[in-house]
Amino acid sequence: QITLKESGPTLVKPTQTLTLTCTFSGFSLSTSGVGVGWIRQPPGKALEWLALIYWNDDKRYSPSLKSRLTITKDTSKNQVVLTMTNMDPVDTATYYCAHRGPGIAAVDYWGQGTLVTVSS
Amino acid sequence: QSALTQPASVSGSPGQSITISCTGTSSDVGGYNYVSWYQQHPGKAPKLMIYDVSKRPSGVSNRFSGSKSGNTASLTISGLQAEDEADYYCSSYTSSSTYVFGTGTKVTVL
Repeated sequence: QITLKESGPTLVKPTQTLTLTCTFSGFSLSTSGVGVGWIRQPPGKALEWLALIYWNDDKRYSPSLKSRLTITKDTSKNQVVLTMTNMDPVDTATYYCAHRGPGIAAVDYWGQGTLVTVSS
Repeated sequence: QSALTQPASVSGSPGQSITISCTGTSSDVGGYNYVSWYQQHPGKAPKLMIYDVSKRPSGVSNRFSGSKSGNTASLTISGLQAEDEADYYCSSYTSSSTYVFGTGTKVTVL
């Protein structure tokens, strides 16, 4: 079955760079049509789509955060990494990674999420 | 891109039907048949309930249905049950080849 799990720091200081890793199993990111995305949710607020990387290394970013985000994949390790620069307290949120299946314009499997707090 | 607009809350009694709207623009909801809906219980990850406007993933109850007219998509929950009480988010593919989520709707079962 498909599973995803996020890992990374729980606390970062303002201006630092956040690096999150999504480790997955049950699918291959070399399969045509497959993608892995990142979504975040500040406490008590709505979901916000961040980035998506496809099997062919095509990358898509939220227009409002594009300058701060980088998404990469390591197919051999079954991992996707998201980096976000210049962190601010407003970036405090639960960060989720999720699987996008072939032929489906949605994410159908989600990780459990990881809470990242930005504070000095 | 701006978040899609959803009502903050919708409520209904057990057994009733409720509908949640999701309003975007011709650059997202109105331009593509790629609207999806997610259910999120407190402290849990979201769960995909509807994709491609009206398709249900395997295992999702047929009490959940989706539709779209112009720039507005809708999620209808029929035969409302206590377990349906949760937050619901819509999402759409956009003309920027990205995705955008809605503002979220809290469903309360009275």
